[in-house]
Amino acid sequence: KAGVTQTPRYLIKTRGQQVTLSCSPISGHRSVSWYQQTPGQGLQFLFEYFSETQRNKGNFPGRFSGRQFSNSRSEMNVSTLELGDSALYLCASSLGLATVVGNEQYFGPGTRLTVT
Amino acid sequence: SQKIEQNSEALNIQEGKTATLTCNYTNYSPAYLQWYRQDPGRGPVFLLLIRENEKEKRKERLKVTFDTTLKQSLFHITASQPADSATYLCALRELGGNKLVFGAGTILRVKS
Repeated sequence: KAGVTQTPRYLIKTRGQQVTLSCSPISGHRSVSWYQQTPGQGLQFLFEYFSETQRNKGNFPGRFSGRQFSNSRSEMNVSTLELGDSALYLCASSLGLATVVGNEQYFGPGTRLTVT
Repeated sequence: SQKIEQNSEALNIQEGKTATLTCNYTNYSPAYLQWYRQDPGRGPVFLLLIRENEKEKRKERLKVTFDTTLKQSLFHITASQPADSATYLCALRELGGNKLVFGAGTILRVKS
């Protein structure tokens, strides 16, 4: 079974621009969660989508948004990029709700975003 | 304030020994706690989950304990191997909470 895929793997953007990252979950998985990982703050939860609805959200500003499509694929968007948004963005998929239930999550390789 | 603390210094052990990693939390009431492994340049890999009403879980060479009185979880790898070298992360969801909170991770190095 194919794992979680994320595109693109690397991205360089300029401050003020916006970016869209894509995540394809494992076939049959309905939950997709997004995380930001930086050396200073570690791994931080952004949000979780299940059946096209955002179910849980972390403490990030409204510039960070996402959506999930009917085939469970998910996109994450960051608008008005800031230097501090430079990070590894990871998505993870699970069969059922991950955050509330604690279902096993399978992480993708991440998208490395650099904001200059 | 709330915090999750893992050994900030790397843990260096000899092959064949048991590695013990610590996760301490403050001002949380966890519904469950998870342990992950992360290799450089890769996403974390889920290892074990332990719920608030459980004391111990095992999976092959891995064992996790959960002490809600001490507010601590211990993660053990028995008969460690150089291939176990990685960063190990603990994460928890608080009772009634809606997000997973991660510790900073501990680097484990197993030397042959």
